[in-house]
Parts: sequence; structure tokens; C-alpha cells
Amino acid sequence: DAGVIQSPRHEVTEMGQEVTLRCKPISGHNSLFWYRQTMMRGLELLIYFNNNVPIDDSGMPEDRFSAKMPNASFSTLKIQPSEPRDSAVYFCASRGAGGAYEQYFGPGTRLTVT
Amino acid sequence: AQSVTQLGSHVSVSEGALVLLRCNYSSSVPPYLFWYVQYPNQGLQLLLKYTSAATLVKGINGFEAEFKKSETSFHLTKPSAHMSDAAEYFCAVSVNTGRRALTFGSGTRLQVQP
Repeated sequence: DAGVIQSPRHEVTEMGQEVTLRCKPISGHNSLFWYRQTMMRGLELLIYFNNNVPIDDSGMPEDRFSAKMPNASFSTLKIQPSEPRDSAVYFCASRGAGGAYEQYFGPGTRLTVT
Repeated sequence: AQSVTQLGSHVSVSEGALVLLRCNYSSSVPPYLFWYVQYPNQGLQLLLKYTSAATLVKGINGFEAEFKKSETSFHLTKPSAHMSDAAEYFCAVSVNTGRRALTFGSGTRLQVQP
């Protein structure tokens, strides 16, 4: 079975540029999560979708960040304009409707903003 | 709200020695508990989960964890460490109410010395 797919795996961009990270959740999963991981702050939940609807975006740092989930098989996280402090690894995770609510993580996108 | 505390940000053991990674949780309702492992430059992989069935949970790669309600703990153990166990380990908690998202601990980096 294919796991969570993220693209690109690495992204290097200059400050001020727009960055779009992509995620394809596991087929059949109905919840999707975006996380950010840094040495300083650890693993932070940015936003959580359930059935394609954003449920909790309280972790989104500021208006420069936006996330969409146009359908059950695709989500994007956009940063516009990007800043050096946005450099981090961004993970997408998905979860099925039943069970104990375990999440399955993608390999991450390492973003470097210079 | 639920929370997780992982005691010890770094743990070092010798190859063949017992691995013990500590996790304490706080939750006002019965929790679901998880351990994830993150190898360098990879996403988080589910090791094991507690879902209110058996208190001793066995996971992948020889790891197990015991849920102790009286101590609000869910420590991760492995009888004999392998070099390949070197990674970062995250404890997480979820509850069957509200947004049902995972709350992660700050992680413990395990080093295995030859």
C-alpha cells in the first residue's frame, strides 16, 4: 500500500518567494494533518482537516501560511512570502475514521529559505 | 487538555543493553497512547499503540510499552538494543473526544554505543 506521499522532498528558495508543499494522504483516510518540525520548537501541529474541511488552524503561524484540501486525495500548504525562519521540515499525516486515531506520516519536505 | 512529558531528551545505551524511554501523560479522560520512531531524514513511523485493551503492548522491532494508570506512564522498553535502534522516539496521546488530534512529547534521542 502506498503511504502518505509528499512533494517535493527538498525545497530551497529565497526569502520573499512563494512556496507550495503538496501531500497525498493514504487512500480512504478522512483526516489530514500538517506539522512543522524544528530543533527549537519540536513537532508543531499547523492545521487539521477532517473530510476536506479545516477543523483547527490555530497552529498556523501567521497569515503568510495557508492550507487547502480541495479533495480527499490532495492537500497543499502554501507560504507566501517565505522567510528564513520558515526553514523547517514539514510533515503531512493522515488518519482513518476508526481505530485509535493513530496517524501515518509522510517522509516530509525539508524547506530552506535563504 | 491532554499532554505528554518525555523524561530525558537524550538516552545513550550500549549495544545489547536494556532500552528504557520514559513517557508520562496527563489526560482527564481515558487516553490512547502511542510511540513513534523517527530515523534520520525520515518521517515518523508508528511503533506501537495502547487502546485500552491489554496494558502491555508489543510493537515492531522488539519494542514494547506498558500502560500504568496509577503512574500515568507509558514507558517504552526493549530488552536488547541494536545499533539500528538509534533514532528519535516520540510519545503521543489522544483522547476520544473533541478534535481527537495527537499531542506529541518533545522526543528522546536514543544513541546506541558499540
